[in-house]
Amino acid sequence: SYVLTQPPSVSVAPGKTATITCGGNKNAIKSVHWYQQKTGQAPVLVVYDDADRPSGIPERFSGSKSGNTATLTISGVEAGDEADYYCQVWDSTSDYVFGPGTKVAVL
Amino acid sequence: QVQLVQSGAEVKEPGASVKVSCKASGFTFSGQYLHWVRQAPGQGLEWMGWIRPNTGDKEYGQKFQGRVTMSSDTSISTAYMELNTLRSDDTAVYYCAVRVDGQNDAFDTWGQGPKVTVSS
Repeated sequence: SYVLTQPPSVSVAPGKTATITCGGNKNAIKSVHWYQQKTGQAPVLVVYDDADRPSGIPERFSGSKSGNTATLTISGVEAGDEADYYCQVWDSTSDYVFGPGTKVAVL
Repeated sequence: QVQLVQSGAEVKEPGASVKVSCKASGFTFSGQYLHWVRQAPGQGLEWMGWIRPNTGDKEYGQKFQGRVTMSSDTSISTAYMELNTLRSDDTAVYYCAVRVDGQNDAFDTWGQGPKVTVSS
C-alpha cells in the first residue's frame, strides 16, 4: 500500500519560512495536494497538483516535488498560519491516501 | 457560492447506524465525484469512498466495504453516507468533499463536518 510520511511538527518564527516535507514509499511520488486544517475547522486546499494554488490562497504558500518527496513551503509565516498540514495523493492501489499531518507552530 | 452543507451532529449507540447528508450548491453537483472523509478525535484524515451522482457509480475504501453505503438524490443536490454496525472507534467528524472542476484526485470544497459520537 502507498504510505506518506510527514514530520510531526515544525516550529517557525513569524516572518520566517516553514518547510514541510511529504515522502512517499514508492518511486516518483504521485501528484501531491496539500491541506491546511485549523483547530475545529474543515481542511482547506492550499496547493494542488504539486505546485498550483487555488484562488484565494496567498502566494506565500508554494509546493514543489522531487523524486519521492514533495514539499510545502510557507514564506513569511504569520500567526494565522498555525495549523495542521496534510499531504494527500491518489494511488491506483491505495486510493486516496493522506499523510499523518504536520503541526506548524508559530513561535 | 460553492458550498457543501452537512447535517448535524449525531449520538448513536454501538451497533446502530448513522446517515449523514451533504447538500451541494453553487456547482454542477451531479457530474462531480462526491467524497467522504472522516477524522477521529486528535487523529488524521481518512478517506472512506466516493459517489458520482449522475451515474450512481461508487467506490468504497477497503476498510469500509460492507459497512458503508453512499447514495445521492440529484433532484435536491444531496449526497448521503450511511455507516452501519457502529463501534466506538467510529466516533469521528465526517466530512463530504469534492473537487468542483470535475477531476477526481483532490478536494477543494469541504462540508463543515458533523461529529458522530458512538457511545452507550
